[in-house]
Amino acid sequence: SQQGEEDPQALSIQEGENATMNCSYKTSINNLQWYRQNSGRGLVHLILIRSNEREKHSGRLRVTLDTSKKSSSLLITASRAADTASYFCATEGRGGSNYKLTFGKGTLLTVNP
Amino acid sequence: GAVVSQHPSRVICKSGTSVKIECRSLDFQATTMFWYRQFPKQSLMLMATSNEGSKATYEQGVEKDKFLINHASLTLSTLTVTSAHPEDSSFYICSAGIVRNTEAFFGQGTRLTVV
Repeated sequence: SQQGEEDPQALSIQEGENATMNCSYKTSINNLQWYRQNSGRGLVHLILIRSNEREKHSGRLRVTLDTSKKSSSLLITASRAADTASYFCATEGRGGSNYKLTFGKGTLLTVNP
Repeated sequence: GAVVSQHPSRVICKSGTSVKIECRSLDFQATTMFWYRQFPKQSLMLMATSNEGSKATYEQGVEKDKFLINHASLTLSTLTVTSAHPEDSSFYICSAGIVRNTEAFFGQGTRLTVV
């Protein structure tokens, strides 16, 4: 079942601005991952943050995780038109099958040149 | 990084026919693979967990007789959509992982259109 909820569902910004997307989940997790999907294409892994981590950076990406609130945020700084895509959070739950991910509903990011 | 290859990328079939989609891990062995379905502008819905050498585990509401999964080797899982109907038209994506608590690797997806 889908447990992740992203907000906003859609976000439109100008090139150079920062974009922040949020994700909430419901159960205990091993990790939370963010993926990007261009229209009609497969998923590209962006960043993984483990349950014992609070913040992680990768290039222009910054991810935070608050396990007490069961929420995460993805910040893309200095956005580019090429960042236009759908962004999904996914959680790997504790126990159960390895690598089984539960995806959120996604945020459609549009970066206008 | 690890590569998961999915084939075909697009397929059009007639109602009532069956379609097979392949998912291969090219440079690692995957005892477990996952099949997802994605409707336009929506999220990925897990359909089933494919287990090498044993039966697949289907999510609630997914018809196992309609979506046949075979995981005959450590590098190949197949999803067969049987007796396809227009409502089966969708984007199907597979994934596999190497080590728990690390990223999953996704195939490129298959766009199925049933006419």
